[in-house]
Amino acid sequence: LAKTTQPISMDSYEGQEVNITCSHNNIATNDYITWYQQFPSQGPRFIIQGYKTKVTNEVASLFIPADRKSSTLSLPRVSLSDTAVYYCLVGDADYKLSFGAGTTVTVRA
Amino acid sequence: ETGVTQTPRHLVMGMTNKKSLKCEQHLGHNAMYWYKQSAKKPLELMFVYSLEERVENNSVPSRFSPECPNSSHLFLHLHTLQPEDSALYLCASSQAPYSGGGNEQYFGPGTRLTVT
Repeated sequence: LAKTTQPISMDSYEGQEVNITCSHNNIATNDYITWYQQFPSQGPRFIIQGYKTKVTNEVASLFIPADRKSSTLSLPRVSLSDTAVYYCLVGDADYKLSFGAGTTVTVRA
Repeated sequence: ETGVTQTPRHLVMGMTNKKSLKCEQHLGHNAMYWYKQSAKKPLELMFVYSLEERVENNSVPSRFSPECPNSSHLFLHLHTLQPEDSALYLCASSQAPYSGGGNEQYFGPGTRLTVT
């Protein structure tokens, strides 16, 4: 199972773009990269998933370089409601999703 | 609303009590999961069920007993718990029991358990 490393915390202000980079040096060929968001006392919520290059949806963008050893989640123009913990997960062909500590993003007014 | 419901949302129980947590998914998924999240700790995977068969038991103490009567329902039976078992218990489901492409997990709101 690929191990991921991401910053413990990040601070930002409303209207700014937040970029969270996740390292996954031993990612396997068939692995996908998935990001979840979790608010306090709630279950995580799927944000975005990708395999290579760039993926964009209505919430975020995911940038994956050619070597796939890292990925960057980009949250455009954050608001106070984007304050949450963001988890980077790298898929494996078994049941063991490992959420890790995640990155606590705090958005200030 | 994720399509995964959990009851109760809050539970306070003594160490000698027996209680059950219930999870129901309305998504037609084949895999269901129990996670534990203690304060300021990462989510810990406890159990995984695939088509009602347990496929993962992550070294969880026997005072936690899961049950999956069908692919839509999952229970976690609790007995003789310890105060350190106080945590948020989350249920999740996914189409298939692996974390590959296109198989995201949908989480319920969780049950906040306090053991006194």
